[in-house]
Amino acid sequence: GAGVSQTPSNKVTEKGKYVELRCDPISGHTALYWYRQSLGQGPEFLIYFQGTGAADDSGLPNDRFFAVRPEGSVSTLKIQRTERGDSAMYLCASSLTSGRTDTQYFGPGTRLTVL
Amino acid sequence: SQQGEEDPQALSIQEGENATMNCSYKTSINNLQWYRQNSGRGLVHLILIRSNEREKHSGRLRVTLDTSKKSSSLLITASRAADTASYFCAPSMRSSYKLIFGSGTRLLVRP
Repeated sequence: GAGVSQTPSNKVTEKGKYVELRCDPISGHTALYWYRQSLGQGPEFLIYFQGTGAADDSGLPNDRFFAVRPEGSVSTLKIQRTERGDSAMYLCASSLTSGRTDTQYFGPGTRLTVL
Repeated sequence: SQQGEEDPQALSIQEGENATMNCSYKTSINNLQWYRQNSGRGLVHLILIRSNEREKHSGRLRVTLDTSKKSSSLLITASRAADTASYFCAPSMRSSYKLIFGSGTRLLVRP
């Protein structure tokens, strides 16, 4: 079946601009996660949704970052007033539930470059 | 601070040899997941081991978990050039379901 998909695969923007990154989870998965990965590092947690609600947004670096999941499926990560330090690979993952034994399946990522 | 810390940071072996990567973490976990990432691409899930399990196998992969030492290891047997990638362990914290990644082990398998 189809895996997690993310669009766009690459996004180049200018400092100060607004960007939206989209994630389509595996059909039927109720839990959705966003991570950010800088070059040479492991992914860092940003936010986790259970259904439509953000169950844990403790990883969002500041109030320029916001994510929504209005219908409990597709999610959008929104970044306002982008800065060069926001350049990274943004990864989305989904799992069937948020249970203790649930595997998180990752999408291919969106590489964001802020000039 | 990072929870999952892999050791070594880099490993270079000859094709056919075994590769062992270690991981340490700091708090109680639900499970621990291992992932592979090829350069510039997404994470591929390899194996999940639950907190009440001690060992798990999948093909050429063998994962162990020692919750008393807060450590795990990934063994790849009979390595192939295609195994060249970065490998990450990701503990799922008991207080949350988010995964906490370290910086990974970069494995190079020489043909």
